[in-house]
Amino acid sequence: SQQGEEDPQALSIQEGENATMNCSYKTSINNLQWYRQNSGRGLVHLILIRSNEREKHSGRLRVTLDTSKKSSSLLITASRAADTASYFCATDARDKIIFGKGTRLHILP
Amino acid sequence: DAGVTQSPTHLIKTRGQHVTLRCSPISGHKSVSWYQQVLGQGPQFIFQYYEKEERGRGNFPDRFSARQFPNYSSELNVNALLLGDSALYLCASRGAAYNEQFFGPGTRLTVL
Repeated sequence: SQQGEEDPQALSIQEGENATMNCSYKTSINNLQWYRQNSGRGLVHLILIRSNEREKHSGRLRVTLDTSKKSSSLLITASRAADTASYFCATDARDKIIFGKGTRLHILP
Repeated sequence: DAGVTQSPTHLIKTRGQHVTLRCSPISGHKSVSWYQQVLGQGPQFIFQYYEKEERGRGNFPDRFSARQFPNYSSELNVNALLLGDSALYLCASRGAAYNEQFFGPGTRLTVL
Protein backbone atom coordinates (compact mmCIF):
# COMPACT_ATOMS: atom_id res chain seq x y z
CA SER A 1 0.00 0.00 0.00
CA GLN A 2 1.11 3.58 -0.55
CA GLN A 3 1.12 5.96 2.36
CA GLY A 4 2.02 9.21 0.68
CA GLU A 5 -0.47 10.76 -1.68
CA GLU A 6 0.69 13.62 -3.86
CA ASP A 7 -1.60 16.33 -5.09
CA PRO A 8 -2.11 17.28 -7.85
CA GLN A 9 -1.51 14.17 -9.96
CA ALA A 10 -0.41 16.37 -12.85
CA LEU A 11 0.59 20.01 -13.13
CA SER A 12 1.45 22.17 -16.15
CA ILE A 13 2.89 25.66 -15.67
CA GLN A 14 4.75 28.25 -17.71
CA GLU A 15 8.50 28.43 -17.43
CA GLY A 16 9.46 30.91 -14.75
CA GLU A 17 6.38 30.30 -12.62
CA ASN A 18 6.43 28.56 -9.26
CA ALA A 19 5.21 24.98 -8.86
CA THR A 20 3.70 23.65 -5.65
CA MET A 21 3.07 19.99 -4.92
CA ASN A 22 1.49 18.57 -1.81
CA CYS A 23 1.86 15.25 -0.04
CA SER A 24 -0.35 13.71 2.63
CA TYR A 25 0.44 10.64 4.67
CA LYS A 26 -1.26 8.50 7.28
CA THR A 27 1.08 7.30 10.02
CA SER A 28 3.86 8.69 12.17
CA ILE A 29 7.14 9.24 10.39
CA ASN A 30 10.78 9.85 11.19
CA ASN A 31 11.37 11.95 8.10
CA LEU A 32 9.91 12.74 4.71
CA GLN A 33 11.89 12.83 1.50
CA TRP A 34 11.18 14.26 -1.94
CA TYR A 35 12.51 12.70 -5.11
CA ARG A 36 12.49 13.54 -8.81
CA GLN A 37 12.29 11.02 -11.63
CA ASN A 38 12.83 11.71 -15.31
CA SER A 39 11.16 9.45 -17.87
CA GLY A 40 11.17 6.23 -15.85
CA ARG A 41 14.81 6.41 -14.88
CA GLY A 42 16.30 6.18 -11.39
CA LEU A 43 15.11 8.56 -8.71
CA VAL A 44 17.11 11.60 -7.70
CA HIS A 45 17.02 12.62 -4.07
CA LEU A 46 15.99 16.27 -3.67
CA ILE A 47 15.55 17.02 0.00
CA LEU A 48 14.95 15.34 3.35
CA ILE A 49 13.02 16.97 6.16
CA ARG A 50 12.96 15.41 9.60
CA SER A 51 9.87 15.15 11.76
CA ASN A 52 11.12 17.86 14.13
CA GLU A 53 11.67 20.35 11.28
CA ARG A 54 9.01 22.59 9.78
CA GLU A 55 10.73 24.05 6.74
CA LYS A 56 13.81 23.40 4.70
CA HIS A 57 15.41 25.05 1.67
CA SER A 58 17.75 23.81 -1.00
CA GLY A 59 18.44 26.11 -3.93
CA ARG A 60 15.13 26.74 -5.67
CA LEU A 61 13.38 24.13 -3.52
CA ARG A 62 11.40 24.80 -0.38
CA VAL A 63 9.82 22.00 1.61
CA THR A 64 7.45 22.33 4.54
CA LEU A 65 6.25 19.67 6.92
CA ASP A 66 3.20 19.79 9.16
CA THR A 67 3.18 16.67 11.31
CA SER A 68 -0.11 17.64 12.97
CA LYS A 69 -1.82 17.57 9.58
CA LYS A 70 0.39 14.79 8.26
CA SER A 71 1.21 16.80 5.18
CA SER A 72 4.16 18.26 3.31
CA SER A 73 4.59 20.58 0.38
CA LEU A 74 7.32 21.05 -2.20
CA LEU A 75 7.72 24.44 -3.82
CA ILE A 76 9.92 24.87 -6.89
CA THR A 77 10.53 28.53 -7.62
CA ALA A 78 11.35 30.05 -11.02
CA SER A 79 10.68 26.80 -12.85
CA ARG A 80 12.81 25.71 -15.80
CA ALA A 81 12.25 23.28 -18.66
CA ALA A 82 14.64 20.87 -16.95
CA ASP A 83 12.24 20.64 -13.98
CA THR A 84 9.82 18.64 -16.15
CA ALA A 85 9.67 15.30 -14.33
CA SER A 86 7.66 13.24 -11.86
CA TYR A 87 8.01 14.18 -8.21
CA PHE A 88 7.46 11.75 -5.35
CA CYS A 89 7.23 12.13 -1.62
CA ALA A 90 8.42 9.24 0.50
CA THR A 91 7.76 8.74 4.18
CA ASP A 92 10.45 7.08 6.24
CA ALA A 93 9.15 5.15 9.21
CA ARG A 94 11.22 2.50 10.92
CA ASP A 95 12.24 -0.16 8.39
CA LYS A 96 10.52 0.93 5.23
CA ILE A 97 10.15 3.93 3.01
CA ILE A 98 6.74 4.35 1.43
CA PHE A 99 6.30 6.35 -1.77
CA GLY A 100 3.25 8.11 -3.09
CA LYS A 101 2.01 7.90 -6.68
CA GLY A 102 3.73 11.12 -7.68
CA THR A 103 2.97 14.43 -9.34
CA ARG A 104 3.81 14.77 -13.04
CA LEU A 105 5.13 18.28 -13.58
CA HIS A 106 5.32 19.72 -17.08
CA ILE A 107 7.01 23.08 -17.68
CA LEU A 108 5.69 24.85 -20.76
CA PRO A 109 8.11 27.03 -22.80
CA ASP B 1 32.74 8.30 -6.11
CA ALA B 2 30.57 5.89 -8.03
CA GLY B 3 26.89 5.96 -7.30
CA VAL B 4 24.62 2.99 -6.84
CA THR B 5 25.03 0.57 -9.72
CA GLN B 6 22.61 -2.06 -10.93
CA SER B 7 22.85 -4.87 -13.44
CA PRO B 8 21.60 -5.74 -15.90
CA THR B 9 20.01 -2.61 -17.37
CA HIS B 10 17.35 -4.50 -19.25
CA LEU B 11 16.13 -8.06 -19.05
CA ILE B 12 13.52 -10.07 -20.92
CA LYS B 13 12.21 -13.30 -19.43
CA THR B 14 9.26 -15.60 -20.01
CA ARG B 15 6.61 -16.63 -17.52
CA GLY B 16 7.75 -19.22 -15.00
CA GLN B 17 11.42 -18.35 -15.28
CA HIS B 18 13.66 -17.10 -12.52
CA VAL B 19 15.58 -13.82 -12.46
CA THR B 20 18.44 -12.39 -10.39
CA LEU B 21 19.05 -8.66 -10.21
CA ARG B 22 22.19 -7.17 -8.74
CA CYS B 23 23.02 -3.98 -6.92
CA SER B 24 26.19 -2.39 -5.61
CA PRO B 25 25.72 0.38 -3.05
CA ILE B 26 27.69 3.55 -2.70
CA SER B 27 31.01 2.86 -1.03
CA GLY B 28 30.58 2.95 2.73
CA HIS B 29 26.82 2.43 2.64
CA LYS B 30 25.69 -0.61 4.56
CA SER B 31 21.97 -0.43 3.85
CA VAL B 32 20.37 -1.55 0.59
CA SER B 33 16.68 -1.43 -0.28
CA TRP B 34 14.78 -2.80 -3.26
CA TYR B 35 11.72 -1.31 -4.91
CA GLN B 36 9.40 -2.30 -7.73
CA GLN B 37 7.97 0.46 -9.90
CA VAL B 38 5.18 -0.30 -12.31
CA LEU B 39 4.58 2.22 -15.08
CA GLY B 40 2.66 5.24 -13.85
CA GLN B 41 3.01 4.35 -10.17
CA GLY B 42 5.37 5.21 -7.37
CA PRO B 43 8.03 2.73 -6.24
CA GLN B 44 6.76 -0.07 -4.01
CA PHE B 45 9.03 -1.18 -1.18
CA ILE B 46 10.16 -4.82 -1.41
CA PHE B 47 13.07 -5.32 1.01
CA GLN B 48 15.56 -3.47 3.15
CA TYR B 49 18.85 -5.01 4.25
CA TYR B 50 21.31 -3.61 6.72
CA GLU B 51 24.57 -5.27 7.67
CA LYS B 52 23.48 -8.39 5.74
CA GLU B 53 20.28 -8.80 7.74
CA GLU B 54 16.75 -8.24 6.52
CA ARG B 55 15.36 -5.22 8.30
CA GLY B 56 12.12 -4.70 6.44
CA ARG B 57 9.85 -6.46 3.98
CA GLY B 58 7.03 -5.08 1.88
CA ASN B 59 3.84 -6.77 0.80
CA PHE B 60 5.30 -9.07 -1.84
CA PRO B 61 4.86 -12.84 -2.25
CA ASP B 62 7.48 -15.37 -1.20
CA ARG B 63 8.56 -15.64 -4.84
CA PHE B 64 10.58 -12.52 -4.07
CA SER B 65 13.72 -12.96 -2.01
CA ALA B 66 16.94 -11.05 -1.50
CA ARG B 67 20.25 -11.21 0.24
CA GLN B 68 23.15 -8.94 1.07
CA PHE B 69 26.75 -9.99 0.80
CA PRO B 70 29.74 -9.17 3.07
CA ASN B 71 30.75 -6.37 0.67
CA TYR B 72 27.20 -4.94 1.08
CA SER B 73 26.19 -5.63 -2.51
CA SER B 74 22.81 -7.25 -2.88
CA GLU B 75 20.79 -9.57 -5.07
CA LEU B 76 17.06 -9.65 -5.63
CA ASN B 77 15.66 -12.96 -6.81
CA VAL B 78 12.24 -13.52 -8.28
CA ASN B 79 11.00 -17.05 -8.95
CA ALA B 80 8.14 -18.28 -11.14
CA LEU B 81 7.86 -15.00 -12.99
CA LEU B 82 4.42 -13.64 -13.82
CA LEU B 83 3.45 -11.10 -16.43
CA GLY B 84 2.66 -8.70 -13.60
CA ASP B 85 6.28 -8.77 -12.47
CA SER B 86 7.19 -6.62 -15.47
CA ALA B 87 8.46 -3.40 -13.95
CA LEU B 88 11.44 -1.21 -13.19
CA TYR B 89 13.34 -2.61 -10.23
CA LEU B 90 15.19 -0.01 -8.25
CA CYS B 91 17.91 -0.40 -5.70
CA ALA B 92 18.82 2.28 -3.18
CA SER B 93 21.53 2.59 -0.57
CA ARG B 94 22.09 4.78 2.43
CA GLY B 95 24.75 5.18 5.01
CA ALA B 96 22.61 5.07 8.11
CA ALA B 97 19.02 4.67 9.18
CA TYR B 98 16.80 7.63 8.39
CA ASN B 99 19.36 9.25 6.11
CA GLU B 100 18.92 10.08 2.45
CA GLN B 101 18.54 7.19 0.05
CA PHE B 102 20.40 7.21 -3.23
CA PHE B 103 18.98 5.24 -6.11
CA GLY B 104 20.55 3.33 -8.92
CA PRO B 105 19.34 3.61 -12.52
CA GLY B 106 17.18 0.53 -12.20
CA THR B 107 16.72 -2.74 -14.08
CA ARG B 108 13.86 -2.87 -16.56
CA LEU B 109 12.35 -6.37 -16.42
CA THR B 110 9.93 -7.50 -19.10
CA VAL B 111 8.12 -10.79 -18.64
CA LEU B 112 6.57 -12.27 -21.79
